[in-house]
Amino acid sequence: GIQVEQSPPDLILQEGANSTLRCNFSDSVNNLQWFHQNPWGQLINLFYIPSGTKQNGRLSATTVATERYSLLYISSSQTTDSGVYFCAGGGGSNYKLTFGKGTLLTVNP
Amino acid sequence: DAGVIQSPRHEVTEMGQEVTLRCKPISGHNSLFWYRQTMMRGLELLIYFNNNVPIDDSGMPEDRFSAKMPNASFSTLKIQPSEPRDSAVYFCASSLIDTQYFGPGTRLTVL
Repeated sequence: GIQVEQSPPDLILQEGANSTLRCNFSDSVNNLQWFHQNPWGQLINLFYIPSGTKQNGRLSATTVATERYSLLYISSSQTTDSGVYFCAGGGGSNYKLTFGKGTLLTVNP
Repeated sequence: DAGVIQSPRHEVTEMGQEVTLRCKPISGHNSLFWYRQTMMRGLELLIYFNNNVPIDDSGMPEDRFSAKMPNASFSTLKIQPSEPRDSAVYFCASSLIDTQYFGPGTRLTVL
């Protein structure tokens, strides 16, 4: 199956800083999603982005499908951005997502 | 619109007991997923339903686990008998086309 590698595993920021999270895939994916798991455990879908670039407020994501990676950008980070960010990808059977181990982001005031 | 609803939110049980987790997907969604999250194994897909039909149950750990979706508004995940290694957070998610929306999860502790 597809292997999903996320980096960095941990990231500590001061409020207001920018950051880039990366996700690499071992094979081509046609379904790629980014999620945020907040400190209370809730998983929130951030982006469905199998290719191209999308933006939602301070968050944006870019997927370069031909090179099998995706980036999540967080600008002007806030303490509420803390939590674990997961990327997940699926190949031929579009529904089946394989999750990475996540990036634990801590934003300090 | 209400999101995915799961119950109970927390369950503590003793080894050997039957556990039933419940999920109500977002209205109109035709796909439903059950995931399990543990520190050791991360997030794993257990089973996937499409239009109430189980399509892929290859992630179900063993015969002690079973899942049903009797209608478009309700699904259950049952563990019988439960074991301590089943302790985890169980998530239900639903989707219409591609984006998956997760419920709040059920934290299961088997003593």
